[in-house]
Amino acid sequence: QKEVEQDPGPLSVPEGAIVSLNCTYSNSAFQYFMWYRQYSRKGPELLMYTYSSGNKEDGRFTAQVDKSSKYISLFIRDSQPSDSATYLCAMNQGSNYKLTFGKGTLLTVNP
Amino acid sequence: DTAVSQTPKYLVTQMGNDKSIKCEQNLGHDTMYWYKQDSKKFLKIMFSYNNKELIINETVPNRFSPKSPDKAHLNLHINSLELGDSAVYFCASSQDKGAIYEQYFGPGTRLTVT
Repeated sequence: QKEVEQDPGPLSVPEGAIVSLNCTYSNSAFQYFMWYRQYSRKGPELLMYTYSSGNKEDGRFTAQVDKSSKYISLFIRDSQPSDSATYLCAMNQGSNYKLTFGKGTLLTVNP
Repeated sequence: DTAVSQTPKYLVTQMGNDKSIKCEQNLGHDTMYWYKQDSKKFLKIMFSYNNKELIINETVPNRFSPKSPDKAHLNLHINSLELGDSAVYFCASSQDKGAIYEQYFGPGTRLTVT
């Protein structure tokens, strides 16, 4: 079982839809949870990170972490065509210095 | 004003050659990283340096050698290039090794080995 699993998609939604992106993980030691956005042929860009369980909101983006289920989500409200990108989840144990990434979900928001 | 920059952006070379990729960050960060992203978009850590000291060295062939002349620069030298080395290589930085959750990535270097 891979440490971090992420549905690669592709996921295609109409503009204005609510998008839900998810990752599951097997390592219960993970404490930091991150979401990165990567546009085609660009470097990943940090959207937000959360520590331990709970929710975090930033504009149209909400990150949720459920450590009991080893499940994290990123919700995008009122999705825009400019949100079309690959979304990568990443995790860190807090006791080491490396991130473990999911494989990314390709999202297309159609105008 | 680019925060994390890499050169070159594209690199096409033949098997057996030696090549280098350079990375610079102007964020004043202490920690820098090299990642490899394969054709399936899987991003994997290769190396990390904190204040010029190697702190992560994943199971990467010895043909890959990082070098950090100062904390703003981290270069990657690859000897005897192989077809399987074709990938996009990303440099990243964070404030320090404890701020790993907040990394800033460069634009990537697309390496093609023929």
